[in-house]
Amino acid sequence: QVQLVESGGGVVQPGRSLRLSCAASGFSFSSYAMHWVRQAPGKGLEWVAVISYDGSNKYYADSVKGRFTISRDNSKSTLDLQMNSLKTEDTAVYYCVRRAKTEVVTSLYFDSWGQGTLVTVSS
Amino acid sequence: QSVLTQPPSVSGAPGQRVTISCTGSSSNIGAGYAVHWYKQLPGTAPKLLIYGNTNRPSGVPDRFSGSKSGTSASLAITGLQAEDEADYYCQSYDSSLSGWVFGGGTKLTVL
Repeated sequence: QVQLVESGGGVVQPGRSLRLSCAASGFSFSSYAMHWVRQAPGKGLEWVAVISYDGSNKYYADSVKGRFTISRDNSKSTLDLQMNSLKTEDTAVYYCVRRAKTEVVTSLYFDSWGQGTLVTVSS
Repeated sequence: QSVLTQPPSVSGAPGQRVTISCTGSSSNIGAGYAVHWYKQLPGTAPKLLIYGNTNRPSGVPDRFSGSKSGTSASLAITGLQAEDEADYYCQSYDSSLSGWVFGGGTKLTVL
């Protein structure tokens, strides 16, 4: 079965960096676009970034553009999120998420989620 | 402020029917992008509930149904059960933002 396991979360001071990783298994990782979605404590879901199946295309939410970098290693079935210049408002649970394969280009949704890793940005 | 608007909370008694609305705009739902719904229990990751406006993944009971019209969508839950108590999120894609967008979430309470 599909498994997505995030790691790398923790407590970090504002302005510092942190790198999250996601280990994927149970499916052909190199065939799927992958995303990061976050959820601040007690708040709703916020899309963060996406990377295409081959890593050639990357897009970011305005709130993280220029500070976060998404990457993947298809040989290791891993997805990363490099987070620089962290702000207190980046505090959240970060989920590694698989986007469903679909023939319908206007139907873009997530069919598998990891358990999440908590990032706390605090001095 | 979420791009998609949901009511913060809804409630219903066991066995009743409830609906959760999701209102967007001409750059997301109104542009023809499908709406998808997720259920999140406390302390757990969201789980796909409805995709492509009306489709249920295998394992999701037919008590759950989705619909879409214009710039809005709805999730309906019939025959409410205690285990339906959770947070529900709608999601779509926004062409102006070039990104995926969520509703603010709706907390369903089973009375």
